[in-house]
Amino acid sequence: DIVLTQSPALAVSLGQKTTMSCKTSQNVDNFGKSYIHWYQQKPGEQPKLLIYFASNLASQVPARFSGSGSERDFTLTINPVEADDVATYYCQQGWEFPYTFGAGTKLELK
Amino acid sequence: EVQLVESGGGLVQPGRSLKLSCAASGFTFSNYDMAWVRQAPTKGLEWVASISTGGGNTYYRDSVKGRFTISRDNAKSTLYLQMDSLRSEDTATYYCAMARDWFAYWGQGTLVTVSS
Repeated sequence: DIVLTQSPALAVSLGQKTTMSCKTSQNVDNFGKSYIHWYQQKPGEQPKLLIYFASNLASQVPARFSGSGSERDFTLTINPVEADDVATYYCQQGWEFPYTFGAGTKLELK
Repeated sequence: EVQLVESGGGLVQPGRSLKLSCAASGFTFSNYDMAWVRQAPTKGLEWVASISTGGGNTYYRDSVKGRFTISRDNAKSTLYLQMDSLRSEDTATYYCAMARDWFAYWGQGTLVTVSS
């Protein structure tokens, strides 16, 4: 199975920029697409899609969110961070079954 | 507006069965692959199973293979998960999701607790 590694937690000040990483155990690129997707989950809520194919913003997601990366190294950036962004962020690979998720990065405010 | 509403969760004893349903609306259900994703209490997300648009192709994680069955009724716009031989480690909130290689929309989830 493809393993996705995320840092467990981040603390950031309001209005600042933050980046979180997702590293995969194997290359998940094919024909110019990176099969990495990002989700936001707030406490007590279902996950919400933020980014698909590493850098494409999902519908109605604010432009403060962006994604980048390729092959085995991916990043989710929030700039600027707002109070509403406090949540856990998961990356997921759609390259092959079983689809797998990272353990999540919990974003907190300083 | 896309809506996915799960039902059927509850408390069940180990070894027993439970069937989850997910009623879909706001999109053409038969045009999309669908999936179940679960989340154990205080844990991360775990993909469980996926099904193709017509139901002809199904995929499962190893730990549920042979015990869980994903199915769909396109006429009723409903997704199902039949769960047999339940184990304590199956305790989780189960989400249905509209699937491609990613999970575009999620339901609110239904909690399954396996305990004696």
